[in-house]
Amino acid sequence: AQSVTQLGSHVSVSEGALVLLRCNYSSSVPPYLFWYVQYPNQGLQLLLKYTSAATLVKGINGFEAEFKKSETSFHLTKPSAHMSDAAEYFCAVSDRSRSDIAGNQFYFGTGTSLTVIP
Amino acid sequence: NAGVTQTPKFQVLKTGQSMTLQCAQDMNHEYMSWYRQDPGMGLRLIHYSVGAGITDQGEVPNGYNVSRSTTEDFPLRLLSAAPSQTSVYFCASSKGLTNTEAFFGQGTRLTVV
Repeated sequence: AQSVTQLGSHVSVSEGALVLLRCNYSSSVPPYLFWYVQYPNQGLQLLLKYTSAATLVKGINGFEAEFKKSETSFHLTKPSAHMSDAAEYFCAVSDRSRSDIAGNQFYFGTGTSLTVIP
Repeated sequence: NAGVTQTPKFQVLKTGQSMTLQCAQDMNHEYMSWYRQDPGMGLRLIHYSVGAGITDQGEVPNGYNVSRSTTEDFPLRLLSAAPSQTSVYFCASSKGLTNTEAFFGQGTRLTVV
């Protein structure tokens, strides 16, 4: 089964500083990878996704993530944090190797809460 | 576009009561699912459906029932609510292909007292 690990349940950065949120997956076959953001009292919104077209994926709001097969990682970065980036971020995977029903299932990490300090 | 619509947004139940959380999508998506979100545990899959008439269990199905009579609707039923079911519930839908994103509803915050 797929699993996702997000290191650091809480991350604090100063406004204007680099944002780095970590995500590692455990799968012998690289899965499809997603980053979602959840603002307070809202649902999840897709930031970006990796589907093998390019290892560096650009998303919305200035975020990007790099797929590194050798490290089984898909870390999320943003060069300069903004106050509006404060939210919960979830890394998720789906199983590329399955073409049946199970391939549609998403497996989520436990989330990282980002605080931006003015 | 409405996307995925969940009702109600908030609900308080007494232990033992039953209720149905509603979920509807207008994107003609084949795949729909229910998750619960608890602090420190991320989102956990309760039940999912790959089309009308087809449902299956996810990671934490106990105490919940689902049905899928139409493509658009995927209600989640709590048969006899327990305090352990206090959580935020999210419904999601996707086209049914493995590399497509899931679209989420706004969530239902359920408290069981």
